[in-house]
Amino acid sequence: DSGVTQTPKHLITATGQRVTLRCSPRSGDLSVYWYQQSLDQGLQFLIQYYNGEERAKGNILERFSAQQFPDLHSELNLSSLELGDSALYFCASSAGTAKNIQYFGAGTRLSVL
Amino acid sequence: KNEVEQSPQNLTAQEGEFITINCSYSVGISALHWLQQHPGGGIVSLFMLSSGKKKHGRLIATINIQEKHSSLHITASHPRDSAVYICAVRSRFKLIFGTGTRLQVFP
Repeated sequence: DSGVTQTPKHLITATGQRVTLRCSPRSGDLSVYWYQQSLDQGLQFLIQYYNGEERAKGNILERFSAQQFPDLHSELNLSSLELGDSALYFCASSAGTAKNIQYFGAGTRLSVL
Repeated sequence: KNEVEQSPQNLTAQEGEFITINCSYSVGISALHWLQQHPGGGIVSLFMLSSGKKKHGRLIATINIQEKHSSLHITASHPRDSAVYICAVRSRFKLIFGTGTRLQVFP
């Protein structure tokens, strides 16, 4: 158990809908990272938050947004969903921002039908 | 060309064999990670390296910064090592991932 909790584990929804994925980091970790893993693109970095502030941005679509709350949990919001958004979404956390091991959650499997 | 390349893409081995997975990258990095993804999808961090060599149990990871190359070695492989091994480099505040090496170890 990595100590990173992601909910829900599975999510099935329809095109055009909006969903929210939730991540609780390990106790004491200030950084939260979001990743997308799809069959055709592999693992891709989406966005990182550190202590409530956006720290780095990767290949995150404009239809996607994230935030980190004062209690350090994070949410990834995906809107106007398309079939191609079907993927595994992972959250990871680490103590700091640079040279720290990241601990991954079990992922949320999103299926857009 | 991908910024992070792994080889081989697929690897099968008999239990007890010595295994090497290679990772080459073309960008400047501050660290390199080796990750293991189990068949169920969960990801575990194995190593984070910025220089030299690290060992944990039967796993050894090395990095050559000048040659922009890292290797992950598994000694005395076991069926429970069957997984996808992913190399990721930290470049400009983000991780860039390789496409992974799928390892199957047969008894």
